[in-house]
Amino acid sequence: AQSVTQLGSHVSVSEGALVLLRCNYSSSVPPYLFWYVQYPNQGLQLLLKYTSAATLVKGINGFEAEFKKSETSFHLTKPSAHMSDAAEYFCAVSDVPGNQFYFGTGTSLTVIP
Amino acid sequence: NAGVTQTPKFQVLKTGQSMTLQCAQDMNHNSMYWYRQDPGMGLRLIYYSASEGTTDKGEVPNGYNVSRLNKREFSLRLESAAPSQTSVYFCASSEAGRTGELFFGEGSRLTVL
Repeated sequence: AQSVTQLGSHVSVSEGALVLLRCNYSSSVPPYLFWYVQYPNQGLQLLLKYTSAATLVKGINGFEAEFKKSETSFHLTKPSAHMSDAAEYFCAVSDVPGNQFYFGTGTSLTVIP
Repeated sequence: NAGVTQTPKFQVLKTGQSMTLQCAQDMNHNSMYWYRQDPGMGLRLIYYSASEGTTDKGEVPNGYNVSRLNKREFSLRLESAAPSQTSVYFCASSEAGRTGELFFGEGSRLTVL
């Protein structure tokens, strides 16, 4: 089975600073990888996904992630944090059979004014 | 634009009681999922249904049953609730197999006393 590991359950950055959220995966088949964001008391929504096309994936709200096979990583970045980015972020991988999706434990992002 | 609708949004049960969480999607998706979210644990897959008429166990199926009533609806039943089942439950559906985005409901917060 596939799995993902998110390093750092809590990350704090200053407004305007670089955001870096880490995700490593394990996969026995070509991975399909996702980042989701969850705002308080809401469901998750997709930020971006990697499905074996370009290794640098751009998502919504200025986020992007780079797939690095040699490092088995899919880290999420944003050049300049905004207060509205404060949320919980989840990395996920999909598996076969049955199109199962497995999530990391999440990283809570705090943006300091 | 309903997307994925879950009911109820909040429920308090006593140990041993039973209840069913309902989920419906209006996006004509084949795959549907039930997850639970607990602090520090991320989202864990309880059951999934890759297509109408099929259901399979995920990571944490014990204490739960599911029914894929039709293509739209996927219910989760707790036959005899336990305090360990206190959690936030999310239903999700998926469009195109492993590469598809998951669409989430807003969650159902369940407390078992």
